[in-house]
Amino acid sequence: QQPVQSPQAVILREGEDAVINCSSSKALYSVHWYRQKHGEAPVFLMILLKGGEQKGHEKISASFNEKKQQSSLYLTASQLSYSGTYFCGTEGPYNTDKLIFGTGTRLQVFP
Amino acid sequence: NAGVMQNPRHLVRRRGQEARLRCSPMKGHSHVYWYRQLPEEGLKFMVYLQKENIIDESGMPKERFSAEFPKEGPSILRIQQVVRGDSAAYFCASSFGQGGEQYFGPGTRLTVT
Repeated sequence: QQPVQSPQAVILREGEDAVINCSSSKALYSVHWYRQKHGEAPVFLMILLKGGEQKGHEKISASFNEKKQQSSLYLTASQLSYSGTYFCGTEGPYNTDKLIFGTGTRLQVFP
Repeated sequence: NAGVMQNPRHLVRRRGQEARLRCSPMKGHSHVYWYRQLPEEGLKFMVYLQKENIIDESGMPKERFSAEFPKEGPSILRIQQVVRGDSAAYFCASSFGQGGEQYFGPGTRLTVT
């Protein structure tokens, strides 16, 4: 089943922070995060494999709560380049399973 | 340092024709995934292949759609007798191993007239 992302859309000013959530109805092995700009291919951001794991990439970080079957993506001090649609992809309960992408969160950052 | 390559980038077909979409994975990657994306929607899994094997095709329509990843050459997604509802962006992604991060190609935008 498709994971649910919230919010569906976010509008920010440069420098503001945002959190994007991804919830699954089934047990997860891993969560992947991607960003897609309009008309382009999705770009890999990060993968989280363990419960409670946190990862960071510059000012973008994420957490994965295995028990709650949830992941959150944190964008701090947003930049114009952060604009796009963010998708989580969930794999589980085993690592042999396919990646199911979430409903997407559209993020727009304005100067 | 070539990434995932897809061709053609744009494909126009009339109803009833065949569409062939090609995907060359990143160097060293032996796992290929195909996804379909409608405008303003998410990515829908179609099929997962390794060299010469279909691992999971649970997202593929039962009729008209087929995929292969031969020992030599690119992976091919084939759509026979296309209909207007097949119009979409088709993305392929590749990974080094099972369950690893997937790297996407630029996509093929199929338009059925």
